[in-house]
Amino acid sequence: ILNVEQSPQSLHVQEGDSTNFTCSFPSSNFYALHWYRWETAKSPEALFVMTLNGDEKKKGRISATLNTKEGYSYLYIKGSQPEDSATYLCASLVDAGGTSYGKLTFGQGTILTVHP
Amino acid sequence: DGGITQSPKYLFRKEGQNVTLSCEQNLNHDAMYWYRQDPGQGLRLIYYSQIVNDFQKGDIAEGYSVSREKKESFPLTVTSAQKNPTAFYLCASSIALTDTQYFGPGTRLTVL
Repeated sequence: ILNVEQSPQSLHVQEGDSTNFTCSFPSSNFYALHWYRWETAKSPEALFVMTLNGDEKKKGRISATLNTKEGYSYLYIKGSQPEDSATYLCASLVDAGGTSYGKLTFGQGTILTVHP
Repeated sequence: DGGITQSPKYLFRKEGQNVTLSCEQNLNHDAMYWYRQDPGQGLRLIYYSQIVNDFQKGDIAEGYSVSREKKESFPLTVTSAQKNPTAFYLCASSIALTDTQYFGPGTRLTVL
């Protein structure tokens, strides 16, 4: 099983603060890196799917970068709002062939709380 | 509305009983997945299916079984062989194995 690590485990910020957190993943046989947002009492929803080294994606105030050579991705939130409060999950997809193909391995998540 | 439904939302069973969790999608997705979440842990893959009549074990398949007789449906049976079945179970689907996954609302199973 791949080891996907997220840090910090939890984060409290004030409304208007910008914040970022990290996802580390094994770089060998890398295929894709997924980011999901999971709000309380809702289903996880996809934010980004990233495949290329150096890739940067943006969705409103949220952006993500990817470094496949060193095995990390950063998620940034600019001007955090209370509605950004959620658990942010990253997941790594490898392409090592055989039975490992297509299996997402999730990190444990970063719990973000934005205080008004 | 297109989406994934899971039923029931909460499920209670006695120890030793098998129980089946439902997952249905109308997104016309080929791939479907079952995950388990325990406190403080990430989602762990139980089983996944790339296409109808095909499924593969995930990382924690012991004590679980699945079927994929229809494209829309991917039920998960938690058998009495599963040592610690109390958990939150999420179903997901995607167009293909490497694509964005879309998740259902989950079923919380408690074994008494």
